[in-house]
Amino acid sequence: QLQLQESGPGLLKPAETLSLTCVVSGGSINNSPYSWGWIRQPPGKGPEFIGTISYSGTTYYSPSLKSRVTMSVDMSKNHFSLKLRSVTAADTAVYYCARPQGDSSWGWFDPWGQGTLVIVSS
Amino acid sequence: SSELTQDPAVSVALGQAVRITCQGDSLRSYYASWYQQKPGQAPQLVMYGKDNRPSGIPDRFSGSSSGNIASLTITEVQAVDEADYYCCSRDSSGNLWVFGGGTKLTVL
Repeated sequence: QLQLQESGPGLLKPAETLSLTCVVSGGSINNSPYSWGWIRQPPGKGPEFIGTISYSGTTYYSPSLKSRVTMSVDMSKNHFSLKLRSVTAADTAVYYCARPQGDSSWGWFDPWGQGTLVIVSS
Repeated sequence: SSELTQDPAVSVALGQAVRITCQGDSLRSYYASWYQQKPGQAPQLVMYGKDNRPSGIPDRFSGSSSGNIASLTITEVQAVDEADYYCCSRDSSGNLWVFGGGTKLTVL
C-alpha cells in the first residue's frame, strides 16, 4: 500500500525558503504515468492546491504561487520535494503531499501524507 | 481560474440523510472528488468520479453530479460522520486543481 510522509523544518523566518520532502513507500516514484502533488491548508481554512510534478518532471503550479515554487523528483531516493521561496506569514499552513490520480474527465488525490505544519514567524 | 463553492455548515439529525453540495463551472467538465477531514487529521478521500467509493468507505456515502453542481449524500448519518467535507476538481485547464471552501457537518 502506497504511503507518503512529509518532512522538513517546522519554523521559518520571513523571506526564507521553505523546503519539504515527501518520501514515498510501498511503491516506486518513477512508475509511469504517476504524478505527485503538494497541497497546503492554512489554519482554519480549506486545502489549497500548490502544484503537481510528473514522473518525467512536468510541473503544473498554482498561478498564485508559480513565481515562488519549484518541485522536483529524486528517483534514487524515492522522494519528491517542494521549495517555496520568500515565505511570509501567509504561507503558514499544514503542507500535505498527495498523489493525484485520474484522467482527463476526473481526478482525485489519494493517498495523502499526514501533513507537516510550517510556521513562518520572525 | 475556477472556484468551487460549498455551504459553510450543515447540520443533520442522527440517522437522517444529508446532502452536501459543491458548485462551480469546472464541474461541467470534470467530476468532483470529496474528502472528509476530522480535527488534526489529513483529508481522506470518500468519493471520486461519478459515484465511486474508495475501499473502506461505507455505502452510506454516495455521489452525484448535475450541470455545475456536485453532491455528496450521506444516508443514515452517524456521529462518526461529523467532520469537514471538501470537494475538489480539476480546473478548466485540466492541469490544475481547485478545492472548495469546505462544509462543516454537525450531527445533532
